[in-house]
Amino acid sequence: DVKVTQSSRYLVKRTGEKVFLECVQDMDHENMFWYRQDPGLGLRLIYFSYDVKMKEKGDIPEGYSVSREKKERFSLILESASTNQTSMYLCASTLGLEETDTQYFGPGTRLTVL
Amino acid sequence: RKEVEQDPGPFNVPEGATVAFNCTYSNSASQSFFWYRQDCRKEPKLLMSVYSSGNEDGRFTAQLNRASQYISLLIRDSKLSDSATYLCVVSHSGNTPLVFGKGTRLSVIA
Repeated sequence: DVKVTQSSRYLVKRTGEKVFLECVQDMDHENMFWYRQDPGLGLRLIYFSYDVKMKEKGDIPEGYSVSREKKERFSLILESASTNQTSMYLCASTLGLEETDTQYFGPGTRLTVL
Repeated sequence: RKEVEQDPGPFNVPEGATVAFNCTYSNSASQSFFWYRQDCRKEPKLLMSVYSSGNEDGRFTAQLNRASQYISLLIRDSKLSDSATYLCVVSHSGNTPLVFGKGTRLSVIA
């Protein structure tokens, strides 16, 4: 059974703080993704990675960076958190590059920036 | 025009009712189609893939119309446990990320 875990379910940070969101998958998946989900806006892709040390910008990368030093771990970094980054952050992974591959999501991290 | 469009709902239906959701997509080169389900405060999970010939899984039937670029999901004999948000998802190709619709919220009422 695929398992995608995220380091925190709830996080409260202050404006200007550096924030790290960690995601780990245990099924040797090639591809990992970070999304944010906001009411009325749906899921929006921030960054994704198809391999170790590789990253691609998604639809809304501004204000974020990512790191993938190991295959199983994909980190999302907010260099200087702002209130408009208050959101639900979801990590996901897929096995390979087949368009039919199922995307598995972690439970999400609800981040509040004060 | 947004890539994947869905009626946000909410759809409020009584138990036992049949309900249908539609979704349209703008990229005619899209190759794969899915419905994901997201319960309140939970992560999305794959409900079913959508095949060109249409497919059924118990009370759920998915249809694809490539000519009109729309996908549908039919739920028969609705249960209270079907209450969730249903996300329409499209894939252009294997090396591009999935494109998610904003979701349609369903509430099944006793």
